[in-house]
Amino acid sequence: AQSVTQLDSQVPVFEEAPVELRCNYSSSVSVYLFWYVQYPNQGLQLLLKYLSGSTLVKGINGFEAEFNKSQTSFHLRKPSVHISDTAEYFCAVSDLGSINTGKLIFGQGTTLQVKP
Amino acid sequence: DAGVTQSPTHLIKTRGQQVTLRCSPKSGHDTVSWYQQALGQGPQFIFQYYEEEERQRGNFPDRFSGHQFPNYSSELNVNALLLGDSALYLCASSFGQGPGNTIYFGEGSWLTVV
Repeated sequence: AQSVTQLDSQVPVFEEAPVELRCNYSSSVSVYLFWYVQYPNQGLQLLLKYLSGSTLVKGINGFEAEFNKSQTSFHLRKPSVHISDTAEYFCAVSDLGSINTGKLIFGQGTTLQVKP
Repeated sequence: DAGVTQSPTHLIKTRGQQVTLRCSPKSGHDTVSWYQQALGQGPQFIFQYYEEEERQRGNFPDRFSGHQFPNYSSELNVNALLLGDSALYLCASSFGQGPGNTIYFGEGSWLTVV
């Protein structure tokens, strides 16, 4: 079975500072990895995804994430945050097992609080 | 281009009642999935529909059922509602099946069971 652990439930940071949101996963098969953002009272929006190739993935809004297979991690980073980045961030995996047709397994979420 | 649309946005039901939630996928998408997101938690996969058939199911009881129509829209039905069913129900759509497809989410239907 697969699982996703987001290591921080809340991350407070000042505007224009860098931020890293940590994600570790567990799986007996290869996985694809995703980060989604959820603004208050909205659905989820895809920030970026890793399927294969370069382990550094760039996404929307200046976010990037690095896949580390040996550490089974997929941490999300942004060099300089804005107030508008305040939201809930979810890491998710989708395994490459034969019976998976696209099911996503999500972590518990990390609340990013950007302070002025 | 309309994204994933869901209705209703909010509803309140009494324990033991039944509820139906509706979803229209993003234009061009043929696969619909449903997720339950309890307060303060990550979304949990309920099931996926493709070609009007349930293709994959998460760990949810049979009280949760669904349907996909020929126009790819979908319904989620929950019978015998429990207080614990109170959550945000998210519909998601994609083109085709597969773990790497980009999945688009709607804004959800907030269900409160009293």
